Amino acid sequence: EPEVTQTPSHQVTQMGQEVILRCVPISNHLYFYWYRQILGQKVEFLVSFYNNEISEKSEIFDDQFSVERPDGSNFTLKIRSTKLEDSAMYFCASQGMVRAGNTIYFGEGSWLTVV
Amino acid sequence: AQTVTQSQPEMSVQEAETVTLSCTYDTSESDYYLFWYKQPPSRQMILVIRQEAYKQQNATENRFSVNFQKAAKSFSLKISDSQLGDAAMYFCAYRSFYGGSQGNLIFGKGTKLSVKP
Repeated sequence: EPEVTQTPSHQVTQMGQEVILRCVPISNHLYFYWYRQILGQKVEFLVSFYNNEISEKSEIFDDQFSVERPDGSNFTLKIRSTKLEDSAMYFCASQGMVRAGNTIYFGEGSWLTVV
Repeated sequence: AQTVTQSQPEMSVQEAETVTLSCTYDTSESDYYLFWYKQPPSRQMILVIRQEAYKQQNATENRFSVNFQKAAKSFSLKISDSQLGDAAMYFCAYRSFYGGSQGNLIFGKGTKLSVKP
């Protein structure tokens, strides 16, 4: 079964450093997403991406964050100048069709620890 | 804004028994989708079951079924004949049928299910 893959599975970074989380969505999918889950809290929507541009973003997704699909296969989330409160599990997800009921496939997540 | 509430942080069930996980939500919309996702220790989020709000019939997927009460805004998940592999975190999620946020799933905080042998 096709999978969304994410790297790294776990990253520890110093506060103030830049982090890039990488995702390879399912190959024929068109819609891509990032979600995050702070320990003990809800999974929260960050951003959706379609046709090489952001289609929707949440209040969490401020100027510190950016997304990119640099080569037609990878989908990256960049966090500039990380803060302690950025420590969370970050999930990448993809979807083939736009209809709301169609399945969103999630990756295994990248656990980011900011120290 | 829509919200999803899972009031049971942890649940436990004996192998082969049945367990029900609760979920309530709040919305002013009439058309929407509801989902249960499973997150095992491997951490991957796996779709368990999906319910369209316009369908009165409760969704069923093998041992998993839902009790969807639209008026009460309740969406519980029943797992029958529980297996050790069912042990995981279970998330209830809501998604609007319409709107610009095509991928904006709204999640509850999750229920951690333990299965005792």
